[in-house]
Amino acid sequence: QKEVEQDPGPLSVPEGAIVSLNCTYSNSAFQYFMWYRQYSRKGPELLMYTYSSGNKEDGRFTAQVDKSSKYISLFIRDSQPSDSATYLCAIAGFQKLVFGTGTRLLVSP
Amino acid sequence: NAGVMQNPRHLVRRRGQEARLRCSPMKGHSHVYWYRQLPEEGLKFMVYLQKENIIDESGMPKERFSAEFPKEGPSILRIQQVVRGDSAAYFCASARDRESEQYFGPGTRLTVT
Repeated sequence: QKEVEQDPGPLSVPEGAIVSLNCTYSNSAFQYFMWYRQYSRKGPELLMYTYSSGNKEDGRFTAQVDKSSKYISLFIRDSQPSDSATYLCAIAGFQKLVFGTGTRLLVSP
Repeated sequence: NAGVMQNPRHLVRRRGQEARLRCSPMKGHSHVYWYRQLPEEGLKFMVYLQKENIIDESGMPKERFSAEFPKEGPSILRIQQVVRGDSAAYFCASARDRESEQYFGPGTRLTVT
């Protein structure tokens, strides 16, 4: 079993849709949870960082963590074509990040 | 406020040559991490360094790979006697401390011919 599981997609949605991206993890010792966005042939860009269960909102993005279920989510409201990218969840355990494989998102105009 | 810088952005090496990848962390960051991304795969941790110390190298292949972060200058990831399987994107990330978020550089794309 992988430490972090993420549906690779691709996920195709129309502009303006609400997008839900999810990851599950296996090790309850993980303490910090992040979402990165990666455009093709670019470095990952940090979107959200949280360390507690619950919701954290930043503009059109909401990160949700449920430690009891070992489940994290990223919601994107009013999605735009510029949101088309690969979204990586990352979970910090023992000083290093463990990444999901990434979900490719395509937002069509 | 410059972000994490990596060079070169693209590197082509023939089998058996050495590859040196450089990473300059963000200003004020003293923690550096190296990750490798193979085609169609996620990012995999390689090594975690602080100034002059290797903290965790559990993700580094046992042979041919080494990393350093000297007191002065950038962090270096060195791959000796490269093979085709080393072709990948190598990313460096930096953080203020071990519990802070990590910020990534643009990566170095290594191609071994």
